Amino acid sequence: KNEVEQSPQNLTAQEGEFITINCSYSVGISALHWLQQHPGGGIVSLFMLSSGKKKHGRLIATINIQEKHSSLHITASHPRDSAVYICAVLSSNTGKLIFGQGTTLQVKP
Amino acid sequence: NAGVTQTPKFQVLKTGQSMTLQCAQDMNHNSMYWYRQDPGMGLRLIYYSASEGTTDKGEVPNGYNVSRLNKREFSLRLESAAPSQTSVYFCASIPRGIVYNEQFFGPGTRLTVL
Repeated sequence: KNEVEQSPQNLTAQEGEFITINCSYSVGISALHWLQQHPGGGIVSLFMLSSGKKKHGRLIATINIQEKHSSLHITASHPRDSAVYICAVLSSNTGKLIFGQGTTLQVKP
Repeated sequence: NAGVTQTPKFQVLKTGQSMTLQCAQDMNHNSMYWYRQDPGMGLRLIYYSASEGTTDKGEVPNGYNVSRLNKREFSLRLESAAPSQTSVYFCASIPRGIVYNEQFFGPGTRLTVL
């Protein structure tokens, strides 16, 4: 079993829909990242979380340390949000980043 | 401030050829990482360097070597390329060892080994 699991693996939505991507992890962590990668593009850091909730524009990220779970929400989705979203946790034991498999999001106009 | 830069962006090699992927950061970060990204497998750590002069193996180090030339530069070398090394390679840079605010990735190198 992977130490970081994301769901769903693939997601198709209509423009304007509210989107949720989930990340569960099984290791102790110091922090959790949400990353975005557009097709053929580089990887951009969206959020770094160690507790609570962060918001940037239409993106919201939450984390529940007790439940070892994080969610990334996109409100009023747009075709330009189409990308792979990656959850990564910083292991408090090893100090290394452990990545989820990624969630491929397609937003149709 | 260019962040993390990688060269080349694309490369095609024949089996057995060697090459070095270059990575540099201008953010004065201590830790630097090399990852490979393959379809369906996510990002896997090849090697990392917690500070200048130190390097450590990650999850998939076989077939690779690294050099932390100075604080800015961290190179990845394939001595004898194999088709299994066809992948997209990302370099990343982190401000401090295990306590940090952001992680920065380079634009990636798309490598094909024939």
